[in-house]
Amino acid sequence: QTVVTQEPSFSVSPGGTVTLTCGLTSGSVSARYHPSWYQQTPGLAPRTVIDSTNTRSSGVPDRFSGSILGNKAALTITGAQPDDESDYYCVLYMGSGNWVFGGGTKLTVL
Amino acid sequence: EVQLLESGGGLVQPGGSLRLSCAASGFRFSDFAMTWVRQAPGKGLEWVSVITGAGATTYYADSVRGRFTISRDNSKNTVYLRMSSLRAEDTAVYFCARAIYYKYYMDVWGKGTTVTVSS
Repeated sequence: QTVVTQEPSFSVSPGGTVTLTCGLTSGSVSARYHPSWYQQTPGLAPRTVIDSTNTRSSGVPDRFSGSILGNKAALTITGAQPDDESDYYCVLYMGSGNWVFGGGTKLTVL
Repeated sequence: EVQLLESGGGLVQPGGSLRLSCAASGFRFSDFAMTWVRQAPGKGLEWVSVITGAGATTYYADSVRGRFTISRDNSKNTVYLRMSSLRAEDTAVYFCARAIYYKYYMDVWGKGTTVTVSS
């Protein structure tokens, strides 16, 4: 069974740049998996950050960007702010109506 | 303003049933697929189910297929998740989310409702 992989945790300094990735245990992530990214502060609902066309959702700062880097999907934060400290999840569309979330990355900004 | 409001969560015994509701407002409900996503305590997000705008097509995660049923009433702008044969591992916060189905992502989320399966 293919699993969607994410770094369990990442740390970035305020103002720094960080790239979170979303991969597969078997195979490469490409646009055909329609990767999208979600931010979640513990205890609250997820918020869509980047949609499957690598477009930022309404209200999301332009320091967030999505891309395919090598064989993974990537979420890059350029000029990280303390407010960006959250859990980040990617989800891939696996076909036949099924989505699979990655395990999430806990991002610390300090 | 686009809003989703879940309800129906609670405490249920193993083997029991529960029906969750998600009331939508602020958009043309029938134009959008709707999904359910859950999050067990201290765990990550897990996609559960999706239903297309007209309700003709549904899909389920392997972990719930055969036990959960998604449905919708477009006259009431509401999507449902009927859960039966509940197990302890179904304990989670259940979120409904609007899906941009032809682009395969979720764009609006509700605040969630908590389901606890315990004796």
